[in-house]
Amino acid sequence: GAVVSQHPSRVICKSGTSVKIECRSLDFQATTMFWYRQFPKQSLMLMATSNEGSKATYEQGVEKDKFLINHASLTLSTLTVTSAHPEDSSFYICSARDYRGGTEAFFGQGTRLTVV
Amino acid sequence: RKEVEQDPGPFNVPEGATVAFNCTYSNSASQSFFWYRQDCRKEPKLLMSVYSSGNEDGRFTAQLNRASQYISLLIRDSKLSDSATYLCVVSPRWNQFYFGTGTSLTVIP
Repeated sequence: GAVVSQHPSRVICKSGTSVKIECRSLDFQATTMFWYRQFPKQSLMLMATSNEGSKATYEQGVEKDKFLINHASLTLSTLTVTSAHPEDSSFYICSARDYRGGTEAFFGQGTRLTVV
Repeated sequence: RKEVEQDPGPFNVPEGATVAFNCTYSNSASQSFFWYRQDCRKEPKLLMSVYSSGNEDGRFTAQLNRASQYISLLIRDSKLSDSATYLCVVSPRWNQFYFGTGTSLTVIP
């Protein structure tokens, strides 16, 4: 099956700093990538939909200035958590769909962010 | 209103039992439906797509009811390895992909 690589898998940062998470589709091109956040024992919450070459679409309640998304190519989307705070500590997962029409989404391995 | 509603459980069932999960969705124009499985601290993995006519994969059966806007997953002859969180996913459009809250299943020896 298709592979989506997410990096880093784990990061610890100081409060006030910014963290960038990368999501790459390794063997297919993804016009659309999705970014999710998951708190312990809760479900995946869609944060934003990233569209190649255009602005991301953010879900209600997600601060676009805090969670910067860039989807500059068909194989790479990045999520930058700016001025991170402890409450941003969470599991962030990206997913991507193959632009050729595959209906399922493939997931990255996730990034566990801890802000201290 | 949430795009997808799912009973979070938890479901604790003995080995060999049959268990069913349901999910309802709000957008009647939704076109694609899936069940994903998520193990603790791992990313979700596709279990099966859900087709209009219903589909089966071994011990797993998925069904879609468009009139009532729900999808279901039936697991027969539960195994210990089936213990996980099961997530229903609804995709109203190509660029929309929404998860239910997930249903936790624990299969007990």
